[in-house]
Formats: sequence, structure tokens, C-alpha cells
Amino acid sequence: GQNIDQPTEMTATEGAIVQINCTYQTSGFNGLFWYQQHAGEAPTFLSYNVLDGLEEKGRFSSFLSRSKGYSYLLLKELQMKDSASYLCAGTGGGNKLTFGTGTQLKVEL
Amino acid sequence: DGGITQSPKYLFRKEGQNVTLSCEQNLNHDAMYWYRQDPGQGLRLIYYSQIVNDFQKGDIAEGYSVSREKKESFPLTVTSAQKNPTAFYLCASRGAGFRDRGWNANQPQHFGDGTRLSIL
Repeated sequence: GQNIDQPTEMTATEGAIVQINCTYQTSGFNGLFWYQQHAGEAPTFLSYNVLDGLEEKGRFSSFLSRSKGYSYLLLKELQMKDSASYLCAGTGGGNKLTFGTGTQLKVEL
Repeated sequence: DGGITQSPKYLFRKEGQNVTLSCEQNLNHDAMYWYRQDPGQGLRLIYYSQIVNDFQKGDIAEGYSVSREKKESFPLTVTSAQKNPTAFYLCASRGAGFRDRGWNANQPQHFGDGTRLSIL
């Protein structure tokens, strides 16, 4: 499976912009998902990237560079409710996802 | 409404006991998955099934068993062989008909609300 790497924790201020990075091994890579998970709850789907470039969805955007094995999730106009864990997950061959350990984002006043 | 239902929400296991976690979906998804999540960690794949009556081991299958007798249901049994079962268990399903189109890579996995298993 994929080797997914993302920072463990990040802190940002309400109203600011934060970028959460994710790197993966490019061998066998097919596409990359981002999920949001609040404590004790199920992950919810945020975005999917398979081609190079930026995908924008309201306050959230996700970027992919296939050649560099790199993705990021960009959160704009941060709100307190954005405090959560953000999971990066890669797809390789077959129908499985490999998840990173998640980045715990804390939004402060 | 369509979705994935996991039950129970909380479960306690005694030493030497097998317990079964339920996962039901009415999304008409072919693929279903079981993950384990430990505090501060990501999701680790236990078992997955791409079609009825078929399933494959994930990365941490030891001490677990599954069945897939119906498309809607994918129960997970945590056996007494699993020595450290305390965790948050998540079930997921994924669409795109295997027989019709092969897997659509952009279809996300949809998750149930999870079952928290603890040892008594």
C-alpha cells in the first residue's frame, strides 16, 4: 500500500488560512482523498484529487502534484468548528485506501 | 435516508469472549470495509469485501473474522485471539458497481458512526 505522511498537529487562528500537507509514495498511486474527522465521530469526505492541480470547494481546496507525491488541503476563513483531525488517504491498485495518521488541527480565537 | 448503520455504539468484551459488531448499509454499495482506529492514529484496514460472498484480509486481520452473506451486511467478529481489542471500529462502504463499470476511483468511502469496544 501507500506510505502516507502528514504532520501530527497544527494550530491556527480563527479567520486565518491553514495548509495541511501530505506526502505519499508515487509508485502505484491512483488518487488521493481528504477526510475530516471530529473527535469520536466518523470521517466525512472532503475532496478527491487524481489530476495535478487545485480543486476548490467553498472554503476548502485541495492540491495534488503527482510527480512530487505531494498534496495539501487548504482551509480558508477558519472557523472554530474546523477544529478536527484531517486525514489524507491514498488509493493504489484495487479498491483499498491507505490512511495517514491524521493532522489534528486546533483553531484558536 | 440512505446510509451506514453500526451497532452497538459502545460494546464491552470480557476476557476470552468473542463479540460481533454489526454494519448495515442501504446505499446499494458493493464494497464494504472494516477499520480500526486507536487514539491519535489513523485508520488501519482489518478486512474488506468487494462483492457478496467474498472478502480479503487487510493489514491487521489477525484476531478478527468477517462474513458477507448479504450485500447490505458486513459483520465483524472480534475473537478472543485479538489480545488488544480496545479501539474505535469504523465500517465503510463504497459505490460503483463492480460488475458494471469496474471501480470508479473517485467514489469516496462512506463511514458509519463507529463502535467503541472496551475490555471489562
